[in-house]
Amino acid sequence: AQSVSQHNHHVILSEAASLELGCNYSYGGTVNLFWYVQYPGQHLQLLLKYFSGDPLVKGIKGFEAEFIKSKFSFNLRKPSVQWSDTAEYFCAVNLPTSGTYKYIFGTGTRLKVLA
Amino acid sequence: DTEVTQTPKHLVMGMTNKKSLKCEQHMGHRAMYWYKQKAKKPPELMFVYSYEKLSINESVPSRFSPECPNSSLLNLHLHALQPEDSALYLCASSQGWGESYNEQFFGPGTRLTVL
Repeated sequence: AQSVSQHNHHVILSEAASLELGCNYSYGGTVNLFWYVQYPGQHLQLLLKYFSGDPLVKGIKGFEAEFIKSKFSFNLRKPSVQWSDTAEYFCAVNLPTSGTYKYIFGTGTRLKVLA
Repeated sequence: DTEVTQTPKHLVMGMTNKKSLKCEQHMGHRAMYWYKQKAKKPPELMFVYSYEKLSINESVPSRFSPECPNSSLLNLHLHALQPEDSALYLCASSQGWGESYNEQFFGPGTRLTVL
């Protein structure tokens, strides 16, 4: 079955540390990929997306992600995290299901940044 | 206007009550979605409306009844809910439906507690 996995469930970092969150999906065809962030008490916001072209995509707030087709991965990175990056991060992949496309979300990664 | 709004923000109801959740968007999007999100879990798709017609029902119990009165509005009618239905209910919208590149915009959610 098609799935999306995020292996890091909880990550704790100090401010200024670098961040990399993993996202892998299981589907051999063309995919569109998204990273969303959910700050405490707030709604899901799109950080970045990949549809085609340059596999290194830049998003808001200094985040970037790299699509590696051969590894079925779309990892999220930030060179230097801030306390305000404390949030839950969800990877989502728009996958074909029953003749249409649906978002399949990963299980999420809860990031805590220590000041 | 790039917002999806949801009302109410919080709702507490008894198991015999009837209540409704409301979602609105004015981005001209033709697809609208209901998701259910339990604590520390990713959103789970419940329903999709595209062009005001129900396109997907993810085998949701009949105590949840969606309605799309027009292209900007989406309601979720609740009746005879169970305590395990307590969750954050998210509404989302996208420009189109059924294509791989559709990006979803999420509302802030309604936090529902069933007593």
